[in-house]
Amino acid sequence: SQTIHQWPATLVQPVGSPLSLECTVEGTSNPNLYWYRQAAGRGLQLLFYSVGIGQISSEVPQNLSASRPQDRQFILSSKKLLLSDSGFYLCAWSVADRASEKLFFGSGTQLSVL
Amino acid sequence: AQKITQTQPGMFVQEKEAVTLDCTYDTSDQSYGLFWYKQPSSGEMIFLIYQGSYDEQNATEGRYSLNFQKARKSANLVISASQLGDSAMYFCAMRERGSARQLTFGSGTQLTVLP
Repeated sequence: SQTIHQWPATLVQPVGSPLSLECTVEGTSNPNLYWYRQAAGRGLQLLFYSVGIGQISSEVPQNLSASRPQDRQFILSSKKLLLSDSGFYLCAWSVADRASEKLFFGSGTQLSVL
Repeated sequence: AQKITQTQPGMFVQEKEAVTLDCTYDTSDQSYGLFWYKQPSSGEMIFLIYQGSYDEQNATEGRYSLNFQKARKSANLVISASQLGDSAMYFCAMRERGSARQLTFGSGTQLTVLP
């Protein structure tokens, strides 16, 4: 069966420090991968998605970047964190970009930038 | 305009009762999918149920059913026989054929099941 791993679960970082959140998927090949952010008490906002190695699309301009160095690995990064980067970050995967395909989510990372 | 609207920020239901969580959507695509996810306090997003735009029958998954009214563009989630473990945030979401990479979420409904 497929599983998705996301770490760390919690992260507290000072403003201006770098960020690296990692997500890996097991049990499937060539998944579509996504990074979402959830502000406190709100819905999810798509940040990045990837349909293959090295293929990254950004949905919103911001201080973050994403990379996919391997088929089942997706990394969210920042060179210098801002206070506004605080939030709950969720990695997800799906089989394909079809309207019928559901997304499977990781357990999330709570990022606090101080 | 909002693509997914959930008008109930919070709902309360008595244990063992049924509850309906509202969701309306806006799309010009003929082909789309509607999803409901549950987010407990732990934060993970748990898939509950899916309804395709061409599905004629309302989707059901155990105690979850989706009341799909296509003409009204509504996709309400019905939870029967509520349990204390159902207390969580519930999100309605949509994937449109024209932009299928994007799963658009509503703002969510916080459900509290009372003993």
